[in-house]
Amino acid sequence: DTGVSQDPRHKITKRGQNVTFRCDPISEHNRLYWYRQTLGQGPEFLTYFQNEAQLEKSRLLSDRFSAERPKGSFSTLEIQRTEQGDSAMYLCASSTRDRVPVSEKLFFGSGTQLSVL
Amino acid sequence: KQEVTQIPAALSVPEGENLVLNCSFTDSAIYNLQWFRQDPGKGLTSLLLIQSSQREQTSGRLNASLDKSSGRSTLYIAASQPGDSATYLCAVKGNYGQNFVFGPGTRLSVLP
Repeated sequence: DTGVSQDPRHKITKRGQNVTFRCDPISEHNRLYWYRQTLGQGPEFLTYFQNEAQLEKSRLLSDRFSAERPKGSFSTLEIQRTEQGDSAMYLCASSTRDRVPVSEKLFFGSGTQLSVL
Repeated sequence: KQEVTQIPAALSVPEGENLVLNCSFTDSAIYNLQWFRQDPGKGLTSLLLIQSSQREQTSGRLNASLDKSSGRSTLYIAASQPGDSATYLCAVKGNYGQNFVFGPGTRLSVLP
């Protein structure tokens, strides 16, 4: 079990550029979540995948944001035409739903810190 | 819409003290509740998971309780150590939504 992996750890970009982040979940986990966290706040939900299907998107996710999970394995989060307000930590988490007992536990990656200048 | 709050926002205690962190949620129809620890600039590490049918969970010096009817969970840390200094967050998964809703966290400092 190698845990949830995110790449890159840090990204500095200029306003208006596009950026893409990658998340590799724990291999047997079929659920994958993206969250965004700003300083002093708890993570805010962005989107959720079950296998390759994107089942839920937050209203926070403007049309500049897009996420994919081809083949139900790794996922990418792309932000187009970045704005200074996009500066945040982008966190990926994966989970699997246990049958006995019925439960779901989140495992997080180390995050990608985005700074938009 | 589920809302999660945590009190206090920050806490500073001397080493060795027992302490309680609070988490409140507005919708009691929850699937489970999870407590996390976050060190500065890092991701979240899971501490304890309480299913909706459970009242408490224990791991080492940590004990988490759940009272769904009052919409509250507490995280009890016994004999605090400087290494416990971090931000502690709770997250609630509702019965009807897919996402976990997080509180803003409690920033804990344990002084040697």
